[in-house]
Amino acid sequence: QVTLKESGPGILQPSQTLSLTCSFSGFSLSTYGMCVGWIRQSSGKGLEWLANIWWNDDKYYNPSLKNRLTISKDTSNNQAFLKITNMDTADTATYYCARRTGSSLDYWGQGVMVTVSS
Amino acid sequence: DIQMTQSPASLSASLEEIVTITCKASQGIDDYLSWYQQKPGKSPQLLIYDATSLADGVPSRFSGSRSGTQYSLKISRPQVDDSGIYYCLQSYSTPPTFGAGTKLELK
Repeated sequence: QVTLKESGPGILQPSQTLSLTCSFSGFSLSTYGMCVGWIRQSSGKGLEWLANIWWNDDKYYNPSLKNRLTISKDTSNNQAFLKITNMDTADTATYYCARRTGSSLDYWGQGVMVTVSS
Repeated sequence: DIQMTQSPASLSASLEEIVTITCKASQGIDDYLSWYQQKPGKSPQLLIYDATSLADGVPSRFSGSRSGTQYSLKISRPQVDDSGIYYCLQSYSTPPTFGAGTKLELK
């Protein structure tokens, strides 16, 4: 059974760095072809793909935020991470991690709501 | 970026209707298209992948098709539980992009 769960600070101030953790089970990010992505959803911009990391440590970043994003993984502990620097009120959103299989996202976490406010 | 123009933005349908939601890609995406259903307070759930393949556990009343660069999700004889917001996603080119969503209400 595949499950994913996001964790993060909930609230942070503008200019701070957001650190998110995706803890998953039922698959391994060291297995050929596996990939975990981060997607966020805000009322203003809908669903937005942020980044993903592959089993071989290849990484993809959305160019619209590329300079602010860092994705990484810990295969031993079945976790993936996302850091976003210089957070702004416009980054207030629910952040999801999801497993990518082929062209689709077949399993999603429940999401973690992040509010940026002074 | 590839734009996914999703329509309609919302619709209200009866349980006897066939519901159709479309996403038109701004260029060819080689069937790298998936559909998701999202209920309030929940994460999106995969319905269709590779444009026409039904995800595991998804009822057969859901189906996907393509005509040119327009992709469609059809719900035949929808159930009340099918209410929610539906999104398409193209992953043919980076960045992967979502449609804006269709809010479906069943009456």
